[in-house]
Amino acid sequence: EVQLVESGGGLVQPGGSLRLSCAASGFTVSSNFMTWVRQAPGKGLEWVSVIYSGDSTYYADSVEGRFTISRDNSKNTLYLQMNSLRVEDTAVYYCARYSGNHGFDYWGQGTLVTVSS
Amino acid sequence: DIQMTQTPSTLSASVGDRVTITCRASQSISSWLAWYQQKPGKAPKLLIYKASTLESGVPSRFRGSGSGTEFTLTISSLQPDDFATYYCQKYNTYSGTFGQGTKVEIK
Repeated sequence: EVQLVESGGGLVQPGGSLRLSCAASGFTVSSNFMTWVRQAPGKGLEWVSVIYSGDSTYYADSVEGRFTISRDNSKNTLYLQMNSLRVEDTAVYYCARYSGNHGFDYWGQGTLVTVSS
Repeated sequence: DIQMTQTPSTLSASVGDRVTITCRASQSISSWLAWYQQKPGKAPKLLIYKASTLESGVPSRFRGSGSGTEFTLTISSLQPDDFATYYCQKYNTYSGTFGQGTKVEIK
């Protein structure tokens, strides 16, 4: 059974850093595209970042230069390193498996990041 | 960047109604469009990919159509479990832009 479990969210001050983790089971992160999507309170979905199987990475303009997506194949885990956090980064962050032509077919339950002083 | 525009933003309907949601892309995305359903406090759920392919396990009352810049999601007979927010998304590029969402409410 495919499962994604996010962790690492919490309260952080503006300008601070946080690293989110997404532990995968039922498939291998290394051979799949993986992505992060966020949702601010009461708002819609916003795509954040993607990592392809060849390790190419892409980011939304809103996080470019501040966030870094990566994975640890030995732990079968996806990460999102978030630096220089802003109040507007407050959101539930979801990781998802991006199955190429198939869209984002499996999602985690989400982890809440709150940026506030 | 390609923008995705969904209409309407809110839709009031009754059980049994036929419901249609429209999604427009600011430029052609071929058939690289997905539809998701999201309920409060839950992760989104993939319904349709490649504009018209039903994800495994999704009821056949959901139908996607369109290509290029205009797409629709149709629910043929709305069921109580279908009251939720629906998002379109362009994918298979270097980004995965979502539409702003359509909330389907009970009339």
